[in-house]
Amino acid sequence: GESVGLHLPTLSVQEGDNSIINCAYSNSASDYFIWYKQESGKGPQFIIDIRSNMDKRQGQRVTVLLNKTVKHLSLQIAATQPGDSAVYFCAERRDKLVFGAGTILRVKS
Amino acid sequence: DGGITQSPKYLFRKEGQNVTLSCEQNLNHDAMYWYRQDPGQGLRLIYYSQIVNDFQKGDIAEGYSVSREKKESFPLTVTSAQKNPTAFYLCASSTQGGDTEAFFGQGTRLTVV
Repeated sequence: GESVGLHLPTLSVQEGDNSIINCAYSNSASDYFIWYKQESGKGPQFIIDIRSNMDKRQGQRVTVLLNKTVKHLSLQIAATQPGDSAVYFCAERRDKLVFGAGTILRVKS
Repeated sequence: DGGITQSPKYLFRKEGQNVTLSCEQNLNHDAMYWYRQDPGQGLRLIYYSQIVNDFQKGDIAEGYSVSREKKESFPLTVTSAQKNPTAFYLCASSTQGGDTEAFFGQGTRLTVV
């Protein structure tokens, strides 16, 4: 949903640890979900996606979990690296692409 | 190379002026989107278009206008009616329907001076 007037939450993790970023989506009719990574001053980049007929999908070092019962998505990053530091957004798609509020990930070396 | 291009990267506007932000894609995508991003915040949908000559308002369309005369192009005009236009503007495109991600441009940072 909207993130008007809200500042993004921050997740700080130690390098090498696993990160879990959560997202609540708004439309129970959404059938496709995407995680994006945005570095400062740049456009969002695709990380991983998942369709509503799945509850888990794995990529390289990343896993997305979908819980349709509670309209919740999570992104798990294994062995977090300094280059993972960025803002992470989930997005849901029905007839349009709508973004969640986002989370800042800070990796401590 | 295929991609989505926004121009200019930085844009300055005087109060009361209209400005137009360019977005061009050569990915043969039907759907295109415009988002606004304020510092430390998420992306809010301004307008989107699923096909040529058609577009719909997003969540914050007031003070903005768009056109979609060509499949490749989806320009956004920030009008003088937009009271707080300073922001980072992002354009995206995707296939229409289907389960594919949207691709983003590198953004235009608009500042009112």
